[in-house]
Order: sequence, then C-alpha cells, then structure tokens
Amino acid sequence: QKEVEQDPGPLSVPEGAIVSLNCTYSNSAFQYFMWYRQYSRKGPELLMYTYSSGNKEDGRFTAQVDKSSKYISLFIRDSQPSDSATYLCAKAGGYNKLIFGAGTRLAVHP
Amino acid sequence: SQTIHQWPATLVQPVGSPLSLECTVEGTSNPNLYWYRQAAGRGLQLLFYSVGIGQISSEVPQNLSASRPQDRQFILSSKKLLLSDSGFYLCAWKGFGEGDRETQYFGPGTRLLVL
Repeated sequence: QKEVEQDPGPLSVPEGAIVSLNCTYSNSAFQYFMWYRQYSRKGPELLMYTYSSGNKEDGRFTAQVDKSSKYISLFIRDSQPSDSATYLCAKAGGYNKLIFGAGTRLAVHP
Repeated sequence: SQTIHQWPATLVQPVGSPLSLECTVEGTSNPNLYWYRQAAGRGLQLLFYSVGIGQISSEVPQNLSASRPQDRQFILSSKKLLLSDSGFYLCAWKGFGEGDRETQYFGPGTRLLVL
C-alpha cells in the first residue's frame, strides 16, 4: 500500500461545477498536508497548506482534513476552464521529505 | 523572494550519451534541495536530496547521480543515458508554510527525451 493514495482520474466537469479531489494516507506521523496544482509541462505550484482537522478556505478553494479517517480533500467551487490541471496531494514524510499522491487530472470544459 | 531555475527546459538525447541538468536557487541560503522525476501520467518520484554542499542522499538505485558543488546549485548527471531515463525532471527547495511547517517549492522542470 502506498503511503498516499490518490485517484488519477481523469475527472471531467462542466464549468461552474463543484469539484472534489481526494486522497487517503496511511501513516499518522507528520500530519500536515499540501495541495499542488500542476499545469501541463510546468512544475507543480503550491496551492494550499493545512495541518489542522477541518476546513481551510482560500477563495474558491477549500482544503479539508479528516484525521480520524486519514482522508484529505480539495474542493473547488465555481470551477473554471483555467482550473484544468493535475492536482497533487502531499503529506510530510519526515526526514526532510514529502510524500506525493499520483495526482488527479482535472478537465473543466466550457 | 526566492526563485528556482532549471535548465535546459527541454532536452533530446541519444541512448548512451551523458547528461547534466542544472538547478539553482536564489533568495535563500543553505536550502535543502531535491531532484524528482515524473513519468508521463504518474506521480513524483524522489531521486536525490541534499541538505548541504557535498551532501547527497540517494533514494533509488539507478543510472543517475547528483552533486551539489555550491550552496544554491544542484546538478543531476548521468554517464550513459537509458531509454527509461526519459521523463520530466523537477528540482525543488524546502521552504516553510504556515506554522513554520516544511513544504517544497518547485522549479519549472526539464523535459528529457532519450531516443
């Protein structure tokens, strides 16, 4: 079992839809999490960072952590075509490392 | 502010040729630096990381090597490329997010195609 599991998709939604992206993790140590957005042929950019259970909002994006279920989610409200990208979840892995999910490819069509 | 550079952006190399990819960071000193490879449609595989000059940790046995000759320079090399070395190579540096918890910031990447 991988330490961070993420459904690779692809996920295709119409513009304006609410998008839910999810990851599960197995190791309870170092429970802080990141979401990265990666456009095609670009490096990943840090989108959100969270370490508390519950929700964290930033504009149209909400990161949610459920430590009891070891489940993290990213919600995108009012999705736009410019949100089309691959979204990577990551978890601190200790020893100066991050553990990444495989990434979910999202396509938002007009 | 900190910035990270990688070059070249794209590289096409024949099998058996050598490789040298360079990563430099500006605006920070003594950063932890990382090399990742991302195969098409797949996640990030950590190849090497460095906590200081001359200090390299290898994560997976392979055809590649890394060096850190200067504080803010990280180099990925190979003496003889294999077809399986094709991929998207990303350099990252360790920074800190909220609550001073660590995170990583990525460069623009180098796309390598070995033919």
